[in-house]
Order: sequence, then C-alpha cells, then structure tokens
Amino acid sequence: AQSVTQLGSHVSVSEGALVLLRCNYSSSVPPYLFWYVQYPNQGLQLLLKYTTGATLVKGINGFEAEFKKSETSFHLTKPSAHMSDAAEYFCAVSDPRSGGYQKVTFGTGTKLQVIP
Amino acid sequence: EAQVTQNPRYLITVTGKKLTVTCSQNMNHEYMSWYRQDPGLGLRQIYYSMNVEVTDKGDVPEGYKVSRKEKRNFPLILESPSPNQTSLYFCASRGPGLPDNEQFFGPGTRLTVL
Repeated sequence: AQSVTQLGSHVSVSEGALVLLRCNYSSSVPPYLFWYVQYPNQGLQLLLKYTTGATLVKGINGFEAEFKKSETSFHLTKPSAHMSDAAEYFCAVSDPRSGGYQKVTFGTGTKLQVIP
Repeated sequence: EAQVTQNPRYLITVTGKKLTVTCSQNMNHEYMSWYRQDPGLGLRQIYYSMNVEVTDKGDVPEGYKVSRKEKRNFPLILESPSPNQTSLYFCASRGPGLPDNEQFFGPGTRLTVL
C-alpha cells in the first residue's frame, strides 16, 4: 500500500525566506508524486508533479520539488516566500502500475504561514 | 471555462435528514471522485467512478452513496447523516490514461450535521 507522510502540520517562514515543506512517501515501486495547494476557501490545484525522467521538477509560482529515491522524499521548496504563498499544501502519491483507476493518496497537509 | 461545480457550498442539517451534494464537470472526464477533508487527516477518498454506471468504494465509504447516471454528474448522497459526517467535501475529476493527468477539484461543500 502506498502512503505519504508530511512532516510538520504548520510551517512559518518570513517573507523572502526559503520555503521547505517535507514529504516522504512509501511505495513498493517508483511512484508518481504530486504537490497540491489549497488557498483559503478554495479547492485544491496542482502545483507540480513527478512521473519519470528529471528528478527536479518545477511548478507554478516558483515552486520546485526534487524526487530522491534513496531518501523516499519529495520535498517542496521555494527560494523566497511571498505573502501570497500562505496556503495549505498537500503531497500525494499514486502507483503507476495499477490498472484502471489509479488511486491518489494524499498526505495530511502542511499549512504555510508567511510572516511579513 | 473548464470547471467542477458543487452545490450547495454550505449546508447545515440535522441527524437523519437525507441530503444530496451535487457535482458536475464540463470537461468530459471519465474519472470522478469524492473526498472528505478533516483537520489533521488530509483528504480521504469516499467513492470514485471510472465511467457511467461504474463506481467503487474508496477509503471511507460508510454512510455514503453515489451514482453515475451521466458522465458529467456524480452526486454524493447521505441517506441518514450523522454528526461524524460533518466535514469539508470535495469532488474531483480527471481524464483517462495515466494518473499523472491532473485532477480538477471543485470548490468544496462544507457540511455540518447537528
């Protein structure tokens, strides 16, 4: 069974500081990995995804994540936080081998607070 | 505009009173899902559908029903709501093929069961 662990349910950073949100996954095969963002009172939207190929993936709004198989990690980073980055972030994993509907399993989320 | 819509956005009801939350997508997507979001638990899948008349249970299906009579609609039915079903509910859809196809989420329905 696949699973995702997000370390830290709340993270606070100063505006302009590095953002680092941690995600570790458990999967028996190289998975597909995703980061979603949820702004207040809105649904989730895809930030970035890793499927195959380059392990460093870039997403919207200056975010990027690196797939590290040896560490089973897919941490999300952004060099300089902006006030508009305040939101809840979800890491998710999917098993590409499964046929038909491929289930996506979400982590418990990390709320990012940006301090002016 | 490609979107997933849900209605109602907010609902307060009482224990045992049947309710339906509607979900509709205009992208001709095959796959649709319902999730509930609870603090500290993230998103958990309730039911999903691979196409018309094809539905299956997710991780937390107890107390819920769904139907998929049309491709665009995937209503969530609570026959006898209970307070532990108070939650934020999201509908999502995506096209066929590999799971890296983006899931599109609705805006959410905040349900309170008294």
